[in-house]
Amino acid sequence: AQTVTQSQPEMSVQEAETVTLSCTYDTSESDYYLFWYKQPPSRQMILVIRQEAYKQQNATENRFSVNFQKAAKSFSLKISDSQLGDAAMYFCAYRRARSYGQNFVFGPGTRLSVLP
Amino acid sequence: SAVISQKPSRDICQRGTSLTIQCQVDSQVTMMFWYRQQPGQSLTLIATANQGSEATYESGFVIDKFPISRPNLTFSTLTVSNMSPEDSSIYLCSATGGFTEAFFGQGTRLTVV
Repeated sequence: AQTVTQSQPEMSVQEAETVTLSCTYDTSESDYYLFWYKQPPSRQMILVIRQEAYKQQNATENRFSVNFQKAAKSFSLKISDSQLGDAAMYFCAYRRARSYGQNFVFGPGTRLSVLP
Repeated sequence: SAVISQKPSRDICQRGTSLTIQCQVDSQVTMMFWYRQQPGQSLTLIATANQGSEATYESGFVIDKFPISRPNLTFSTLTVSNMSPEDSSIYLCSATGGFTEAFFGQGTRLTVV
């Protein structure tokens, strides 16, 4: 079974600084997707970024980028120029590719605080 | 992408009663999922709902306690039956379709007193 681990229960960053959230996963599959979701106090789960395992290039979305190391099964999220609105729980998630019925495997989450 | 409207957003219920949570998707989706989330913790999958078939429940969750309906490709309900304080939690619905990622409703914060 696939597992997702986030070793940092809590992190903090100064506003405008950069922070990196860690995620490792375990799978025997070669084709899959990885995601970072953000959950602010409003409870809405928001997709931050997505990475396809077959792509070597790391995904980027504005201030958010990932460092995807497939061999190491590592998928970290870098947030640049942190803003107060980035404060939230961040969940790393895995999904097997080409399987609409496959549910997602979520990590335990990292609570990010942004200090003014 | 898909937008999911979930309601109610929160409720306080008496023990022994039932609450039905609704999720409406703005497009047809193949799969819908129901999760439970304790505050500050990760998501635990309750069940997967396909249109036109019985929901598939995860270990520890049973249909009598969490009946689910999926009458069409845009709508699903989860009922929390015979509630006890241990059922106090956040309940989230999610959907996938031809999408790679999952989309989520706003969540329902349930408090059982």
